[in-house]
Amino acid sequence: TQLLEQSPQFLSIQEGENLTVYCNSSSVFSSLQWYRQEPGEGPVLLVTVVTGGEVKKLKRLTFQFGDARKDSSLHITAAQPGDTGLYLCAGAALSAGNMLTFGGGTRLMVKP
Amino acid sequence: KAGVTQTPRYLIKTRGQQVTLSCSPISGHRSVSWYQQTPGQGLQFLFEYFSETQRNKGNFPGRFSGRQFSNSRSEMNVSTLELGDSALYLCASSLRYGNSPLHFGNGTRLTVT
Repeated sequence: TQLLEQSPQFLSIQEGENLTVYCNSSSVFSSLQWYRQEPGEGPVLLVTVVTGGEVKKLKRLTFQFGDARKDSSLHITAAQPGDTGLYLCAGAALSAGNMLTFGGGTRLMVKP
Repeated sequence: KAGVTQTPRYLIKTRGQQVTLSCSPISGHRSVSWYQQTPGQGLQFLFEYFSETQRNKGNFPGRFSGRQFSNSRSEMNVSTLELGDSALYLCASSLRYGNSPLHFGNGTRLTVT
């Protein structure tokens, strides 16, 4: 059984601060996806990382996939209140279709 | 393009009853996956359908079942409901089986009393 440990579970910061969310596993994934979910809505895909060591940037968000494809991180620079939400990492295994293993989520609150 | 549509949005059922949830994928998407989301367990994979065939199944009891129709619409059924089945049930569609971004609906909130 593949498991994804996501940390921290909760994060409350002031606007303008930086933060990093971690996603770790003992298993290798073929790809790692990051989602953001807002209350009353389904998760929305932010990014997919596929290659070990890959770094992707989405405005103030930087995503990194570990060299061994077992871990990933999400770094937000100068957080804004609009970044508030539940961030989820999800790993895809080889030959498993679209079956994803999700981390427990990080609930982020950015105060103005 | 319309997103993934799940109906109903809210459902209240009694223990022992059964329930059917519906999911209409994005037009052209052929894969539909179902996930259960609870505060304690987070998001857990239920099953995935592609071309009307179940391709993957998560670690849930046989009370949880699903199907996919020729137009890619999908339904999931939960029989003999238990209190622990109270959850947000999310459906996600994607263009193909594997290596394809998932697009989630807004879910069906099921409450079992």
